[in-house]
Amino acid sequence: QVQLQESGPGLVKPSETLSLSCTVSGGSISNYYWSWIRQPPGKGLEWIGYIYYSGSTNYNPSLKSRVTISVDTSKNQFSLKLSSVTAADTAVYYCAKLARPAWVFDYWGQGTLVTVSS
Amino acid sequence: SSELTQDPAVSVALGQTVRITCQGDSLRSYYASWYQQKPGQAPVLVIYGKNNRPSGIPDRFSGSSSGNTASLTITGAQAEDEADYYCNSRDSSGHHLGFGGGTKVTVL
Repeated sequence: QVQLQESGPGLVKPSETLSLSCTVSGGSISNYYWSWIRQPPGKGLEWIGYIYYSGSTNYNPSLKSRVTISVDTSKNQFSLKLSSVTAADTAVYYCAKLARPAWVFDYWGQGTLVTVSS
Repeated sequence: SSELTQDPAVSVALGQTVRITCQGDSLRSYYASWYQQKPGQAPVLVIYGKNNRPSGIPDRFSGSSSGNTASLTITGAQAEDEADYYCNSRDSSGHHLGFGGGTKVTVL
């Protein structure tokens, strides 16, 4: 059973870079796609982007200029960086496994709340 | 990014049937998947593809699609089905993903 766990600072200052990691356990990160999704408090889900274990990426066009997703297969981890954050980036950030060819998120982390505030 | 539209809220009497819909042009080309989210929890995949349920999802959940509309039906709704439900699919280009705004299901 694949398990995912997000980690990173819960508080980030405006204009700084949000950095999160997702550790995958119970299976290898290789040969699969991995994604980040966020949910502002009281609002809906927003897909941020995904990465293949080889390093190829695809981002939500609305966030593309500020997002970088990377993978470290030696640590069975993938990471998210979101630059120039504002209060609008305050959200619960989820990492998830993206199953293809169905293009569904079949495993999710528990989520981590990141607040952008000075 | 994907533009998928859902009704904000729907209610259903205990044991009755409720259908939740998701509309979007991309659904003419791609299947929707459906996620259940209870307060304070991560979403859980309940339906994907033509009408597939992951292991552990009760068979009272079913999916269908017609034209630009995908539907999730709960037949014989239970109290534990009260949750937010989100649809998800690719956009019309096929390269990006997106979610509907979510539907809050209340079981009366």
